[in-house]
Amino acid sequence: DAGVTQSPTHLIKTRGQQVTLRCSPKSGHDTVSWYQQALGQGPQFIFQYYEEEERQRGNFPDRFSGHQFPNYSSELNVNALLLGDSALYLCASSFGLFPGQKGSPLHFGNGTRLTVT
Amino acid sequence: AQSVTQLDSQVPVFEEAPVELRCNYSSSVSVYLFWYVQYPNQGLQLLLKYLSGSTLVKGINGFEAEFNKSQTSFHLRKPSVHISDTAEYFCAVSDRPAGNMLTFGGGTRLMVKP
Repeated sequence: DAGVTQSPTHLIKTRGQQVTLRCSPKSGHDTVSWYQQALGQGPQFIFQYYEEEERQRGNFPDRFSGHQFPNYSSELNVNALLLGDSALYLCASSFGLFPGQKGSPLHFGNGTRLTVT
Repeated sequence: AQSVTQLDSQVPVFEEAPVELRCNYSSSVSVYLFWYVQYPNQGLQLLLKYLSGSTLVKGINGFEAEFNKSQTSFHLRKPSVHISDTAEYFCAVSDRPAGNMLTFGGGTRLMVKP
């Protein structure tokens, strides 16, 4: 049973460029969330996708956008990269929007390490 | 807005000793609470969760945590640690209406020494 898979594992980009990160959820999961983890800090919520729609969004600028496909996989796009965007980007999947009742808590992938130079 | 405070950034402990990692949160509504562990160059693995019911929650690898509503705390404990428990531990909270939208603490690095 494959868990959450993310690609690529590492990426180096230059300031001002654009980047796309990809995520396949754990089998049976239909909801995908994205988190940014700066070095030495806890993850910060970017946004959450369910039924191909953005359901919740954290305090991130519009340069950060996403998409969910009919097979539940997801992409995170970041435009006009800044040095401060350098971080580990974590994808997490779940069944449903809530950890209780019939849903599940978040399962995380190993992340994509983005370095902006 | 909710927040999570992990009071210790690093906790050194000898192998087979007990350990407690502290977590306090602030929220104006009922919450879900979680502890995750992160090993080097890996994602986060769920250790345990509090959703409702008993305030003492048991998780994987011998860890447990107790939800204290009056003190808004959710401390993680293990009676006897192993070298393999060396990792970064994150406490996380979500307001019930927000479901799986988690707010994480800054993390506590547990360093188990032989």
